[in-house]
Amino acid sequence: ETGVTQTPRHLVMGMTNKKSLKCEQHLGHNAMYWYKQSAKKPLELMFVYNFKEQTENNSVPSRFSPECPNSSHLFLHLHTLQPEDSALYLCASSPGGEGTYEQYFGPGTRLTVT
Amino acid sequence: GEDVEQSLFLSVREGDSSVINCTYTDSSSTYLYWYKQEPGAGLQLLTYIFSNMDMKQDQRLTVLLNKKDKHLSLRIADTQTGDSAIYFCAEMGADDKIIFGKGTRLHILP
Repeated sequence: ETGVTQTPRHLVMGMTNKKSLKCEQHLGHNAMYWYKQSAKKPLELMFVYNFKEQTENNSVPSRFSPECPNSSHLFLHLHTLQPEDSALYLCASSPGGEGTYEQYFGPGTRLTVT
Repeated sequence: GEDVEQSLFLSVREGDSSVINCTYTDSSSTYLYWYKQEPGAGLQLLTYIFSNMDMKQDQRLTVLLNKKDKHLSLRIADTQTGDSAIYFCAEMGADDKIIFGKGTRLHILP
C-alpha cells in the first residue's frame, strides 16, 4: 500500500463515452501527476499539479482534461478517446517543492477504448 | 534530447546476483531512480541516488553511478523469485521532469 489509490482499476469505454479517472493520496503531499504507460514505450508524463496549480501539460490532446480540486485529489476526465489511448494510466504524488524527487505511484487504471 | 536506455530483458538464476544497467544522456540530471513494477501494479520506488554520489547500498540493493559515462546500475544480491518484475531506470533533469526508460524485465530461473 503506497498511500496513493486510483479508481477504477479497469475501464472499458467507447469512443463517444465520457468517463473520469480518480486519484487520491493520503500522504499529505502537495504535488500530483498523471502518467501514461503504453506497451513498448517509456512512461510518459502527462500533467503535473503543484499546490493545486497545473504546472505541466506535456502536449496532451484536449480529449484528456485534468482537474485538481485539492491537494489530495486528482481527476482525469476523458471524452471522445481513440483506440490508441488504451493504456495504463498512473497517478503519482510527491511532497512538492524540494521534496519533488520522491514520487509515489498508485496502482494505475487499465483503460481500454473500443 | 533527453533519453534513458536500458536492455529489455534479463534472466538470472535464483540465488545469483542480478545487474540491471542503464544509460542516460542528460548531464544535468540531479537524481536517478530505480522503480519496480510487478504484474498488475503501479511503479514502486525502489531506491534513488543523488548525482553527487557514486554508490548507494540498501540491504540487497546496490546502486552504482558513473557520472562520467552517464551509466547507472542496480545490483540485486541473492535474487529471489519475488524479484521477478520490470525495473525502470529514470532520471530527473534540471527542470524537475522525470524521464523513464522502457524497463528491463527480470526473469528468475529456478
